[in-house]
Amino acid sequence: AQKITQTQPGMFVQEKEAVTLDCTYDTSDQSYGLFWYKQPSSGEMIFLIYQGSYDEQNATEGRYSLNFQKARKSANLVISASQLGDSAMYFCAMSHTGTYKYIFGTGTRLKVLA
Amino acid sequence: DTAVSQTPKYLVTQMGNDKSIKCEQNLGHDTMYWYKQDSKKFLKIMFSYNNKELIINETVPNRFSPKSPDKAHLNLHINSLELGDSAVYFCASSQAGGAETQYFGPGTRLLVL
Repeated sequence: AQKITQTQPGMFVQEKEAVTLDCTYDTSDQSYGLFWYKQPSSGEMIFLIYQGSYDEQNATEGRYSLNFQKARKSANLVISASQLGDSAMYFCAMSHTGTYKYIFGTGTRLKVLA
Repeated sequence: DTAVSQTPKYLVTQMGNDKSIKCEQNLGHDTMYWYKQDSKKFLKIMFSYNNKELIINETVPNRFSPKSPDKAHLNLHINSLELGDSAVYFCASSQAGGAETQYFGPGTRLLVL
């Protein structure tokens, strides 16, 4: 069954440090995309980063990078140089090519400490 | 310019009422979605539409009826509201389905009393 697992319900990180948010997925398909979204306390869902299953390089977007380990079926989000504004809920999601269904994990609440 | 917009932002209503939420995207995308986020922040897809055609209906009660008058709009009508319908409803769009980035609207916070 297709599934996204985020095992860290909550995380703390000191400002300016790096933090890794874990995401593992389960699929038997070969072609899929992995996504990370940020949901601040204001409630909107903000797209952060995308990784395609056939991409050989890890995706990066500014301070965000996705540590993609296909054999382990993991797609961890790394935030470098954390800022107070990074405090939010973070969701990992997956979708398969040719489908119209996206599956989300349960989220990790990140708190950045000053 | 807002990419995906939803109205209203907040909706407070009595049990048994009927209400609608509107969604519009100006990204030129072909595919639109409705999601429900419950009080535990779990996000679940409800409907997917591609070029105005219903593609996915995730065992949502018949009281929920989506309508897509054109590719840029996907509205959600809810009949006979129940307490359990209280949630945040998100509209989203993507260029196509599957492995394409979705962009979300700001959400509609529905509270049923």
